[in-house]
Amino acid sequence: GEDVEQSLFLSVREGDSSVINCTYTDSSSTYLYWYKQEPGAGLQLLTYIFSNMDMKQDQRLTVLLNKKDKHLSLRIADTQTGDSAIYFCAEFAKGKSTFGDGTTLTVKP
Amino acid sequence: GAVVSQHPSRVICKSGTSVKIECRSLDFQATTMFWYRQFPKKSLMLMATSNEGSKATYEQGVEKDKFLINHASLTLSTLTVTSAHPEDSSFYICSANTGAGELFFGEGSRLTVL
Repeated sequence: GEDVEQSLFLSVREGDSSVINCTYTDSSSTYLYWYKQEPGAGLQLLTYIFSNMDMKQDQRLTVLLNKKDKHLSLRIADTQTGDSAIYFCAEFAKGKSTFGDGTTLTVKP
Repeated sequence: GAVVSQHPSRVICKSGTSVKIECRSLDFQATTMFWYRQFPKKSLMLMATSNEGSKATYEQGVEKDKFLINHASLTLSTLTVTSAHPEDSSFYICSANTGAGELFFGEGSRLTVL
C-alpha cells in the first residue's frame, strides 16, 4: 500500500540549513507537499511540487524531487528558532493524501 | 493562500452526546474535502473523503455510523461524532482541495469527551 516515511527528529543550529527528507512509494503521486505544524495548531501549507518537476524554490525553502527514487526533500536556508515545528511530507495520489509521521525540527540558538 | 476554517476549535462534551464540527472553505469552492484524525505526536490519519452532493468515502476501519459526514455545499462539510466516548477524544482536522493541486487545512478541532 501507499507509505510515506520521514526521519522523526532533526536538530540544527540557528543560521544553519536544515534538510528534511521523505520517501514515498506511490508512483502515481501527482502532488507532493510539505506542511508545518506548530504545537496545538493545524497544518500550514509551506510548499508543494507537481510530480513532473524536480525542484521548486520559494524564498528560504527549496524542494527537491527525485521521482525515480521517490525521494523528496525540503531545505530551509538560514534556519531560525521560529522554524522549530513538526514538518509533514504528504503525497496526493488516487484522489487522496497520505502523510508521513512528521519530522520534529529543533533549532538551537 | 486559500483559507479553510474549522469550528469549533475546541469542544468538551459528555459521553454519549453528539458533536458537530464544521469545515468551510472561505475563498474558494471545494468539491472535495477530507477529514483526518490526529493522535498526540502522530501523523494524520485520513478518515474519509467528502464529495459535494454525494456520500462520503470512508477509509477502512472508520465507522460510518459513528462519524457522519455531510458535504452540503461547495464550501461546507460537516463531521458529526455520534454518541461520543472518551476514546473519540482527538484532534480532528479537515482539508479542502482547490482543484489546482493545493490542499489547505483547517486549524483543527480538539474534541475532549468526558
